[in-house]
Amino acid sequence: EVQLLESGGGLVQPGGSLRLSCAASGFTFSSYAMSWVRQAPGKGLEWVSAISGSGGSTYYADSVKGRFTISRDNSKNTLYLQMNSLRAEDTAVYYCAKDGHTVPVAGSTELDYWGQGTLVTVSS
Amino acid sequence: QLVLTQSPSASASLGASVKLTCTLSSGHSSYAIAWHQQQPEKGPRYLMKLNSDGSHSKGDGIPDRFSGSSSGAERYLTISSLQSEDEADYYCQTWGTGIWGVFGGGTKLTVL
Repeated sequence: EVQLLESGGGLVQPGGSLRLSCAASGFTFSSYAMSWVRQAPGKGLEWVSAISGSGGSTYYADSVKGRFTISRDNSKNTLYLQMNSLRAEDTAVYYCAKDGHTVPVAGSTELDYWGQGTLVTVSS
Repeated sequence: QLVLTQSPSASASLGASVKLTCTLSSGHSSYAIAWHQQQPEKGPRYLMKLNSDGSHSKGDGIPDRFSGSSSGAERYLTISSLQSEDEADYYCQTWGTGIWGVFGGGTKLTVL
């Protein structure tokens, strides 16, 4: 059974940093790309970042580029999201999601498993 | 630019069927999309991947009541024999080039 368990959320001041983790099990972690997706209160889903199975390719939404860094440790089956220079508009539930491919494919990629999410609140 | 367009809301009666639509922007009619369900206060759940030819592959445990179809740039999710637990937000999702991950704005389904 595929399981994705996020952790690391919490309350942080504007300008602060936070690192999210996602522990994966039930599949060959290194064989699949992974994504972070967030959902602000009362809003829809917003894709944030993705990383290929090997970790060699990373992708970012314009809204977080230069502030967030995605990484993975395939020996620990864990995905990370380092979030720096946090803003109030980054407040959201952050989900990790498994991709159906080793590398995201234009016009073909699907997120086929989701975690339960971790809440990040940016406020003074 | 890759954009997925969904109607903000839909409604149908208990036991009836409903068809939700996700429209791909111009130039992307060959793209596959995925449908996801988000019940109130829960995380998203993958329903299916839907190809441009209408073929689809469903996620683990997704009932036969959920099906997908395609026509041109439109991707459809049909839910038959509606149940109360089908009341949820439904999102379509795909992957582009340069703009990377893309979600539609979501459709809030109300079961009457």
